[in-house]
Amino acid sequence: SQQGEEDPQALSIQEGENATMNCSYKTSINNLQWYRQNSGRGLVHLILIRSNEREKHSGRLRVTLDTSKKSSSLLITASRAADTASYFCATDAEMDSSYKLIFGSGTRLLVRP
Amino acid sequence: EPEVTQTPSHQVTQMGQEVILRCVPISNHLYFYWYRQILGQKVEFLVSFYNNEISEKSEIFDDQFSVERPDGSNFTLKIRSTKLEDSAMYFCASSEKRGAYNEKLFFGSGTQLSVL
Repeated sequence: SQQGEEDPQALSIQEGENATMNCSYKTSINNLQWYRQNSGRGLVHLILIRSNEREKHSGRLRVTLDTSKKSSSLLITASRAADTASYFCATDAEMDSSYKLIFGSGTRLLVRP
Repeated sequence: EPEVTQTPSHQVTQMGQEVILRCVPISNHLYFYWYRQILGQKVEFLVSFYNNEISEKSEIFDDQFSVERPDGSNFTLKIRSTKLEDSAMYFCASSEKRGAYNEKLFFGSGTQLSVL
């Protein structure tokens, strides 16, 4: 299985603090993506990092990718109460000719006002 | 911004009944997907669809499941004889693939299926 697994499963922080979530996967990938899910809603794409990239920024988001360790991290800086959601990493397969993303189990983030 | 729409938002059915979940992907997208999420659990891949045929399906997608693109806009998931364990949120997604890599997926808001 090439599933990503997030760590921690749940994270509670104070507004203004930074939140760091980690993801590990098992097989070689083309890219790794992070998605956000508000309770009971669909997933929203946040950021995509390709296998030849090591770091990427988008607003308050910073994603790193270490292909040697098969791991990625998502950092949310200066968190807000509105960042409260579940965050999922998703991977595809490098040599897979089919088209799918496999999602990890997610990190539930609670940002306390 | 274009979005994926799913109907209905909630579906309640009796065990053994057939259900059809409907999705309208983003119009210029070429790849379509169904995922499901049992309450509080991970988002599970069911099936991907391209060029009017299934690209890949998971172990969950057994003979009770089928997908169809009956016209140029709709993408449906049919469950022929529902079981209690089919109760979940079903998400449709679409993507516009470029080059050799999968691009981001756009998800609908989901259909909550409850099998009684």
